[in-house]
Amino acid sequence: DTGVSQDPRHKITKRGQNVTFRCDPISEHNRLYWYRQTLGQGPEFLTYFQNEAQLEKSRLLSDRFSAERPKGSFSTLEIQRTEQGDSAMYLCASSPAYGYGYTFGSGTRLTVV
Amino acid sequence: GESVGLHLPTLSVQEGDNSIINCAYSNSASDYFIWYKQESGKGPQFIIDIRSNMDKRQGQRVTVLLNKTVKHLSLQIAATQPGDSAVYFCAVTNNAGNMLTFGGGTRLMVKP
Repeated sequence: DTGVSQDPRHKITKRGQNVTFRCDPISEHNRLYWYRQTLGQGPEFLTYFQNEAQLEKSRLLSDRFSAERPKGSFSTLEIQRTEQGDSAMYLCASSPAYGYGYTFGSGTRLTVV
Repeated sequence: GESVGLHLPTLSVQEGDNSIINCAYSNSASDYFIWYKQESGKGPQFIIDIRSNMDKRQGQRVTVLLNKTVKHLSLQIAATQPGDSAVYFCAVTNNAGNMLTFGGGTRLMVKP
């Protein structure tokens, strides 16, 4: 296991379409996080899971955003009815249960046209 | 909530010189601080971290200094190399350790 994997690396979609991104964390990490990064800014926290439980989701940007981690392993982030303002880099990270030792993936860059 | 700021958006240094990147945070109860390096098209890469019970921590060519009195954090890079060119972010955890708040980033440019 070489790190956090995200797929796809790039996604171009038309406004109004739904998109789904996948994250595979480091296998021994119980915690998984999603962040969004816009150009020139630091990453912004969206949500996190401990195993399969989503313990914090109040920072999701709108009800169009949802995330799942059904078996406590990989996670998906879905954006419904995409808008141009959703264009950003979506980053996934994982850490051991105690919350430190964050490791980030390379991200999925979303462009909404 | 926590806010994190960086003093300079861009820093240009000569190869071989030392670099210092600064960061300020707002929550005096913050417990854990991390510096990340981000290259174009990649995710943030861990550089070094420090807990609030320490003032200084050293790694390979990097040193992090924490001044809790003024809520200030700095990253020092010794003998800066062209491969150090990237955007550097400081990040602070919340009390539960489950969320990072990032500063806006400093772009380090190394001149040969």
